[in-house]
Amino acid sequence: DTGVSQDPRHKITKRGQNVTFRCDPISEHNRLYWYRQTLGQGPEFLTYFQNEAQLEKSRLLSDRFSAERPKGSFSTLEIQRTEQGDSAMYLCASRPADRPWSEQYFGPGTRLTVT
Amino acid sequence: ELKVEQNPLFLSMQEGKNYTIYCNYSTTSDRLYWYRQDPGKSLESLFVLLSNGAVKQEGRLMASLDTKARLSTLHITAAVHDLSATYFCAVDIGGNQFYFGTGTSLTVIP
Repeated sequence: DTGVSQDPRHKITKRGQNVTFRCDPISEHNRLYWYRQTLGQGPEFLTYFQNEAQLEKSRLLSDRFSAERPKGSFSTLEIQRTEQGDSAMYLCASRPADRPWSEQYFGPGTRLTVT
Repeated sequence: ELKVEQNPLFLSMQEGKNYTIYCNYSTTSDRLYWYRQDPGKSLESLFVLLSNGAVKQEGRLMASLDTKARLSTLHITAAVHDLSATYFCAVDIGGNQFYFGTGTSLTVIP
């Protein structure tokens, strides 16, 4: 059990470019979550997968954002045509299927800076 | 829309003192979680509270849950510098997402 990992840890991009982040959950966890955290705020929910199915999406997830989890293992979050307001820490978390009441286990995050 | 409010937002306390952080939420839930976040780092789970009256303790921290009052508390006993961090409560609605509070930034001064 190596914990939740995210790649890259930091990304600097120019406005208008597309970026993609990857999350590898803890191996036996079938539930995967994406959050966004801006400075001085708590994390805000973006989307949730159970296995490969995307079951819930926040209104924060505009049509420029898309997330996938094609084989029910790792997940990717893509932001198209980035804007300065997209600058934030993007956090991934996972949770085991057999203990849905357990805490969510968070990865180290990807810090995105849009210039 | 569910609201999760913490107070205080900022807390500066002397080593050795006691204090309580409050977390109020606006809808029914019996699942409440506390996390710690150090600057530039991710979130570390502290406590999982799953029923009315639940109380958990770890070291100098103790958390409790009153689902009827929609209130959770995080009590700090005899604070030490290592407890300096931001503390978040989070409410789970339906198992699909966490709603996080605004966070309490704690600074423990010698």
